[in-house]
Amino acid sequence: EADIYQTPRYLVIGTGKKITLECSQTMGHDKMYWYQQDPGMELHLIHYSYGVNSTEKGDLSSESTVSRIRTEHFPLTLESARPSHTSQYLCASSELGTGPEAFFGQGTRLTVV
Amino acid sequence: AQSVTQLDSQVPVFEEAPVELRCNYSSSVSVYLFWYVQYPNQGLQLLLKYLSGSTLVKSINGFEAEFNKSQTSFHLRKPSVHISDTAEYFCAVSNTDKLIFGTGTRLQVFP
Repeated sequence: EADIYQTPRYLVIGTGKKITLECSQTMGHDKMYWYQQDPGMELHLIHYSYGVNSTEKGDLSSESTVSRIRTEHFPLTLESARPSHTSQYLCASSELGTGPEAFFGQGTRLTVV
Repeated sequence: AQSVTQLDSQVPVFEEAPVELRCNYSSSVSVYLFWYVQYPNQGLQLLLKYLSGSTLVKSINGFEAEFNKSQTSFHLRKPSVHISDTAEYFCAVSNTDKLIFGTGTRLQVFP
């Protein structure tokens, strides 16, 4: 059973606020990912990490930043939220190696007003 | 670079009918292929995967997909769908580095 958690599930916040979306996994996975999912379903990789102190930008440019200080924790931060950041954010993790199966959290639906 | 194409954004079908969700990929190296399912307000769940070996892979709930290297395809099929199969389905490709998703196909099963 996958154990990857995202908090909060839903967040409504005003423009200009700083927010951090939390993602934690208890599976000991080295790789972690953040995806942004548009209202029309498409998933875009915005950040990923190979392990502690490793962070890489994904295929979609994002104003968010991530950190990986602990294996189990991969938070995403927006310094100044804007309405264009309104989206669903999905966190995932997988083992290193060939054919990794990614396990997903339930997502955070962010609305910036 | 890798990419995934799901040509059908929506597939409406009646209950107990067969269904095929199409997925084509492009990659210059060997890849691993996945189908994920997303139910409303949920994260993605792995449905099935192809890593190596038999080109036909099956899930526990009756879905199957066949890896066709010459056609660079990994279509998802089910011979008889159920109302509970209504969901978004995502095809994905990985070469051990990043996991790249297609744009998704919404399967809508009608009674």
